Amino acid sequence: GQQVMQIPQYQHVQEGEDFTTYCNSSTTLSNIQWYKQRPGGHPVFLIQLVKSGEVKKQKRLTFQFGEAKKNSSLHITATQTTDVGTYFCAGQGGKLIFGQGTELSVKP
Amino acid sequence: DAGVIQSPRHEVTEMGQEVTLRCKPISGHNSLFWYRQTMMRGLELLIYFNNNVPIDDSGMPEDRFSAKMPNASFSTLKIQPSEPRDSAVYFCASNRQGASNQPQHFGDGTRLSIL
Repeated sequence: GQQVMQIPQYQHVQEGEDFTTYCNSSTTLSNIQWYKQRPGGHPVFLIQLVKSGEVKKQKRLTFQFGEAKKNSSLHITATQTTDVGTYFCAGQGGKLIFGQGTELSVKP
Repeated sequence: DAGVIQSPRHEVTEMGQEVTLRCKPISGHNSLFWYRQTMMRGLELLIYFNNNVPIDDSGMPEDRFSAKMPNASFSTLKIQPSEPRDSAVYFCASNRQGASNQPQHFGDGTRLSIL
């Protein structure tokens, strides 16, 4: 069945460093969504990518969708302590399948 | 606007007891999803409904789990009998299914501990 793999599982950075998480699907996706979950909170939708090769930016966050629509990445420039949390990709083939998430911690 | 509302927020009970989790989706959303989140298995989709009809329950772990959606504004997830390995955070989410794929809106979750 459809699988969505996300790496790394954990990432510890110094405040100001960049951060990237990668998402790979076993099948071609119709779209990919990204969510952020703060510690103790619930997943909150960030963005959706639909087109092959699409790149979207939200302030310091850059999201990319691969040309083959099977992989995606989220890059955060100059992390801040407010970026702490777990970032999930979720791929839509038939139903939406969530990756395992990347837990980001930021040391001030 | 009110978001997805789940109750209770926390539940602690002894194994063997029946547990009922409740969810009220966002008004106007016609799809509802139940997820379970644990450290070991991450965020797992248990079941989802479209227009109150269960569409995919392949994620329901076993017969001890059941879910219902009697109307557009209410759903329950029931565990009977409960076991310690059912301890997790259970999230309900909803969205409006249509021609395009819509983001899911999550509730605050129910933190369930089975002793």
